[in-house]
Amino acid sequence: SQQGEEDPQALSIQEGENATMNCSYKTSINNLQWYRQNSGRGLVHLILIRSNEREKHSGRLRVTLDTSKKSSSLLITASRAADTASYFCATDAAGNYGQNFVFGPGTRLSVLP
Amino acid sequence: SQTIHQWPATLVQPVGSPLSLECTVEGTSNPNLYWYRQAAGRGLQLLFYSVGIGQISSEVPQNLSASRPQDRQFILSSKKLLLSDSGFYLCACYRGSYGYTFGSGTRLTVV
Repeated sequence: SQQGEEDPQALSIQEGENATMNCSYKTSINNLQWYRQNSGRGLVHLILIRSNEREKHSGRLRVTLDTSKKSSSLLITASRAADTASYFCATDAAGNYGQNFVFGPGTRLSVLP
Repeated sequence: SQTIHQWPATLVQPVGSPLSLECTVEGTSNPNLYWYRQAAGRGLQLLFYSVGIGQISSEVPQNLSASRPQDRQFILSSKKLLLSDSGFYLCACYRGSYGYTFGSGTRLTVV
């Protein structure tokens, strides 16, 4: 089955630096989503990018999608301590709309003040 | 906007005891609903999803079951808990282009 795999597993940066996380998947998708999870909490939807899109922006977030490489990246610019969290990508299979998204194991981001 | 209510927030149960976790949704009708389990420091494992009342799809054979007695109610149950059922359980509702809305989760510890 397809699966999103985030890379790196853990990332530690200084406040103000940019953080880049990557996600790879195995089969064709309709869209790819990124989520954030603060420790012990539910996940919060950050951004969705469709398979026919290559880049999307939302505030300090920039997501790219390369369907030829089956990969996506999440860039957080000018990071803040409050960005400390785990970040997950989720993918759905092409033709399977909203019925089964697969989440990767996540990247744990630590932003040091 | 949609809101997921999930309770309790934490639960400690002995092995062999029953389980019932409830999830309710506000702000939408006929939602696709999901139960996920997350092991410590890991990703999410889809347990069940439902596209309507009485319609349950199981993704992983296990000691758990799910029911959807009402449009906006999704229940996760077990007749006899195992130690391996410990984890963080999340209910979610799918919002199409806006992705999932997740509840705040239930941390279950089976002792």
